[in-house]
Amino acid sequence: EIVLTQSPATLSLSPGERATLSCRASQSVGNNLAWYQQKLGQVPRLLIYTASNRATDIPARFSGSGSGTDFTLTISSLEPEDFAVYYCHQRSNWPNTFGQGTKLEMK
Amino acid sequence: QVQLVQSGAEVRKPGASVKVSCKASGYFFTDYNFHWVRQAPGQRLEWMGWINTDNGDTKYSQKFQGRVTFTRDTSATAAYMEINSLRSEDTAVFYCARETSYSGYYFANYWGQGTLVTVTS
Repeated sequence: EIVLTQSPATLSLSPGERATLSCRASQSVGNNLAWYQQKLGQVPRLLIYTASNRATDIPARFSGSGSGTDFTLTISSLEPEDFAVYYCHQRSNWPNTFGQGTKLEMK
Repeated sequence: QVQLVQSGAEVRKPGASVKVSCKASGYFFTDYNFHWVRQAPGQRLEWMGWINTDNGDTKYSQKFQGRVTFTRDTSATAAYMEINSLRSEDTAVFYCARETSYSGYYFANYWGQGTLVTVTS
């Protein structure tokens, strides 16, 4: 099973700041990786697919990069609605797996 | 528009079974496959497995293999997840999620609202 390790576990930032979230895979997943956002009490929302492509209606301040084992989700300038938990998810190998999440909280 | 509507919250005793439904609308049902994802309270998302809505093929995470069954009813445009031998650790929200193809890569981008299953004696 591929283990996805996200860091940091919690990130405390203020609106307007830049957020950088990391996801590291225990073996290569190519670019078969997505990022999801989950707000408290809500359903996960697909942000990024194939490591670097924004899903429909996702604002341009969200960007993804990386391939193989190291991936990054960047939010260029935080808006109040961006504070949530973010998960990376790989579909390269069975079983598909999720990272443990990074909680982005308001400082 | 695409909608996935799941069945309501359930309460079960340890050792019992539960079946959660996911009714799809707004697209041709057998064109897209479904995933099931579990989320225990305050915990991470956990991928349970996948069902091919066209031919009924399934894949399960080893963690759930033998205890979970995915089915679908194409005439009802619904997918189902049944889990048996419930234990308290199964208390969670269960989500169905539909894939979309992105240039040959498939990711879940439509999600049901979630079904809370509480296992308590």
